[in-house]
Amino acid sequence: AQKVTQAQTEISVVEKEDVTLDCVYETRDTTYYLFWYKQPPSGELVFLIRRNSFDEQNEISGRYSWNFQKSTSSFNFTITASQVVDSAVYFCALSEASGGTSYGKLTFGQGTILTVHP
Amino acid sequence: DSGVTQTPKHLITATGQRVTLRCSPRSGDLSVYWYQQSLDQGLQFLIQYYNGEERAKGNILERFSAQQFPDLHSELNLSSLELGDSALYFCASSAAPGPSGANVLTFGAGSRLTVL
Repeated sequence: AQKVTQAQTEISVVEKEDVTLDCVYETRDTTYYLFWYKQPPSGELVFLIRRNSFDEQNEISGRYSWNFQKSTSSFNFTITASQVVDSAVYFCALSEASGGTSYGKLTFGQGTILTVHP
Repeated sequence: DSGVTQTPKHLITATGQRVTLRCSPRSGDLSVYWYQQSLDQGLQFLIQYYNGEERAKGNILERFSAQQFPDLHSELNLSSLELGDSALYFCASSAAPGPSGANVLTFGAGSRLTVL
């Protein structure tokens, strides 16, 4: 069975600090997808990134960057120069893609509450 | 606005009652998914429909049922409600069931159910 672990329950930083949110996953499949979603205080889930298991290239999007390391089954998310608007709950998720399993059946981590103080 | 519409936004009801949550997927999306977010269980996949047919089932209780209609909107029916069913219920949609480039789930704003 697949599992996603976000060991950091809560992180508190001061604006402009860099912060890394950890995500470790378990799966038996060789083909899978990893995601990060953001849940701001308003409650909706906002898609941030998708990465497939064959693409270990790191990705940068503005102040956001993601480090995917298959060897350690980790998919960490870094926010550079954090801002108050980054305050939210961040979820890492895994979707398996083999054996007819639904690719939309996401297994979510427990989430990391990020608070950025001014 | 994600394009996925969920109604109602908030619902308060009593134990033993039955409620229906409605979801309209993003235009062009054929797949609809239901997820439950609770303090105890976190975010859990309940069920998926693709073009009117059930595609995958997760941790959905027997008291819960869902369907997707010909116009692609979906309803999640929750019956014999218990206190523990209080949660935020998300609907999401995607264009296809497989790992295509379009297979990113877009979530609605959720329906918050409170059972008293």
